Amino acid sequence: GAGVSQSPSNKVTEKGKDVELRCDPISGHTALYWYRQSLGQGLEFLIYFQGNSAPDKSGLPSDRFSAERTGGSVSTLTIQRTQQEDSAVYLCASSFKGRETQYFGPGTRLLVL
Amino acid sequence: GENVEQHPSTLSVQEGDSAVIKCTYSDSASNYFPWYKQELGKGPQLIIDIRSNVGEKKDQRIAVTLNKTAKHFSLHITETQPEDSAVYFCAAAKVSGGYNKLIFGAGTRLAVHP
Repeated sequence: GAGVSQSPSNKVTEKGKDVELRCDPISGHTALYWYRQSLGQGLEFLIYFQGNSAPDKSGLPSDRFSAERTGGSVSTLTIQRTQQEDSAVYLCASSFKGRETQYFGPGTRLLVL
Repeated sequence: GENVEQHPSTLSVQEGDSAVIKCTYSDSASNYFPWYKQELGKGPQLIIDIRSNVGEKKDQRIAVTLNKTAKHFSLHITETQPEDSAVYFCAAAKVSGGYNKLIFGAGTRLAVHP
């Protein structure tokens, strides 16, 4: 079946602009995670959604970052007033409720000029 | 919070040799330890995982060992092939009710030379 999809695959923006990144999880997966991967680094947890429960936002680096998940499926990560240090690959993952395995999408490569 | 350290950062081997990547974690409550392979331009892909009630797990040329007392776990790849070249990440998590916030190591870039 279809895996996790993310769009756009690449995004170039100017400092100070807002960006929206989209994630479509695997159908039936109730858990959704966002991670950030800076150049040559490991993955950094940002936010977690599980069904209708309140999301775990403990990894969001500043109040410029926000995310929502509508209808328990598609999620959007929004970065306001982008800064150059926001340049990274943003990865989304999903999993079945109660299962540990997370399946990752291909990521969105964000470059802030 | 949990902290995961991974070594080495780069590893170069000849085709057919074995490769070993080691990770240590800090939170003794962590109970789930996956390994991911990431090829250039792609998202990470799970290759093997182990839970804290198991000491070792094998899948063909790949094996993972876990030492809970020492809080470290290792990935072993035998008979390496050029297509094994990629970045490998270890991770640790305290799984609770399906909630699984993975804390990743910094990654190991493996190069397998023909």
